[in-house]
Amino acid sequence: DQQVKQNSPSLSVQEGRISILNCDYTNSMFDYFLWYKKYPAEGPTFLISISSIKDKNEDGRFTVFLNKSAKHLSLHIVPSQPGDSAVYFCAASELTGGGNKLTFGTGTQLKVEL
Amino acid sequence: DAMVIQNPRYQVTQFGKPVTLSCSQTLNHNVMYWYQQKSSQAPKLLFHYYDKDFNNEADTPDNFQSRRPNTSFCFLDIRSPGLGDAAMYLCATSMGVVETQYFGPGTRLLVL
Repeated sequence: DQQVKQNSPSLSVQEGRISILNCDYTNSMFDYFLWYKKYPAEGPTFLISISSIKDKNEDGRFTVFLNKSAKHLSLHIVPSQPGDSAVYFCAASELTGGGNKLTFGTGTQLKVEL
Repeated sequence: DAMVIQNPRYQVTQFGKPVTLSCSQTLNHNVMYWYQQKSSQAPKLLFHYYDKDFNNEADTPDNFQSRRPNTSFCFLDIRSPGLGDAAMYLCATSMGVVETQYFGPGTRLLVL
């Protein structure tokens, strides 16, 4: 039972264009959403997040949009750069035992081509 | 630089032979997590420590245990590794209920 889904395993975009990565979730208890970026042989690196009470958060070239009614979020990268090529994980957070449990999607491999 | 460190980066063990993976952090975070990520799958939370309080996920097999001797270190013990336990093991930290978790580079475990 996958509570967080990233339905596109891969995405290819030209340098300078917009990259849009999508994520869907099913659990209404999730109260915070995060995007992580992962290069090969490295751990996930935090990129950007959004609280469930907001619908947009922007940080430089990265913007995350949240549509709570549709249980959908997306990450926009503009302009895309070759260094953005990586696997992007969507994660949803819920409180548990004094910490936060992150439930991850399976990731989208982004390739930014010259 | 403050960071999360995992040793070793690659670990090979034999079927049924106990193995320990280690994680240390210089962030002084009070919460430490262990995730398992199998090939082409999402990372999955095994358990976490909030200070010294251990919180196990309901579906984490008994074969997996953890120790946290102090704030900086956390260990993952696999008592009798099976072939299905081959995976990347990720350690992460956070400060209290702050949602952002910071990950180490992971330990890739191979079971022969």
